[in-house]
This record gives sequence, structure tokens and C-alpha cells, in this order.
Amino acid sequence: DAKTTQPPSMDCAEGRAANLPCNHSTISGNEYVYWYRQIHSQGPQYIIHGLKNNETNEMASLIITEDRKSSTLILPHATLRDTAVYYCIVRTRSGGYNKLIFGAGTRLAVHP
Amino acid sequence: DAMVIQNPRYQVTQFGKPVTLSCSQTLNHNVMYWYQQKSSQAPKLLFHYYDKDFNNEADTPDNFQSRRPNTSFCFLDIRSPGLGDAAMYLCATSRGGTGDNEQFFGPGTRLTVL
Repeated sequence: DAKTTQPPSMDCAEGRAANLPCNHSTISGNEYVYWYRQIHSQGPQYIIHGLKNNETNEMASLIITEDRKSSTLILPHATLRDTAVYYCIVRTRSGGYNKLIFGAGTRLAVHP
Repeated sequence: DAMVIQNPRYQVTQFGKPVTLSCSQTLNHNVMYWYQQKSSQAPKLLFHYYDKDFNNEADTPDNFQSRRPNTSFCFLDIRSPGLGDAAMYLCATSRGGTGDNEQFFGPGTRLTVL
């Protein structure tokens, strides 16, 4: 089962920051938080990941709370092309292998 | 550009007729994964290969098999497709090891079962 909970949907105005929350209260000390998004009828696209520290790349920022029980993905200036389902995933290690167990995700709608 | 390629993008098969979906990668990654994604649901891992080592998820039906003849290619075989197997099938790759290895996904193959 997925180890994350996310709101099912969110709206954001174009040009504004989109802040997508994620709860992962049962995360273990060595488990990473990954974010992917899936635009309609395409394969999931990697966005960003982190372990303890906040991270930033050209797509987004990831803020992880100090207790690591929750995180927020920030798209600083959302565009219409950011409309997608966003998945927050705790990457688990099982039988010596890394696995991504997808939850239901958040459907983000960016509107003009 | 290095990438994950899936062919065909759309596949139609008949109930009970075996079908094979193809995935290739130019990333030279150790690990290749197959996911099933039904309409309005999240992707669900079916199995993966770590090099030549096959790893099946506990709840993957026996109807689904996979082959990896070399590093670059991986196939998903559905021996007797049922109507419930209609879905998007996603292939992904990653480097092996314990590091923070992201998965790269292909565009998917949408399977229709008539």
C-alpha cells in the first residue's frame, strides 16, 4: 500500500505558485520522498526527490518538514501545461530492491 | 536523447489472444519495470528485472509474464487477455543500487481487449 496521502484535487491560477501537500507519517529514516507528475495519456515524469533537506531544481521546490512526516511540492509559477496528476511517493526498499508505490495523487488544474 | 521507448503506442487484441508489448531503453539502466494503469487509477507495479534477475509482485496474475533478452529490451506477455486487462501499460527504467535512483518512464502502450 502507498505510504502517502494527498488531497484528491487542487486548483491554481496561472502565474501563481502551486503548493501541493503530502502526508507520509510512517516514513522510515532511510526512505526518500519522490514526486512525479502525469499529464493526460503520457507516462509519469520525474519532478524532484529528497531525503531530509529541502531541494530545488528547474521544475520545482520540495519542502520536507523537520520530522519528515509531511512535505510540500512547490511549482513557483504555474502554467497551463502544469495541469496534471501529481504523485507523492515514498520510495520503499523491499527484498533488496527500490520500489515506487503510487498513491491516488492530486489532480492539479491550472486555470487562466 | 537517451530515452525509454514503447511499441506500439496502441494495441488492440481479442479476448484470449496472446499479446506482447515491447519496451526498449537507451539509458543502459540495470533495472526495467512494468506497471499497469487502469482508467483513472494510479500505476501499479507488476514486476521488474534487475539485470537478468526477475522479481514478480505478489499480486501479479500468472497471466502476465515478462522477458528480458538483453539490457536494452524488455517484453510484457499477456497469455490470455481478459476484458479486465484493458489498461495502459507503462515501462520504466532506473539505475540499480541503493542510491537515490529515479525511474524514467516510457509513454505507455494502451491495450484494448475486444
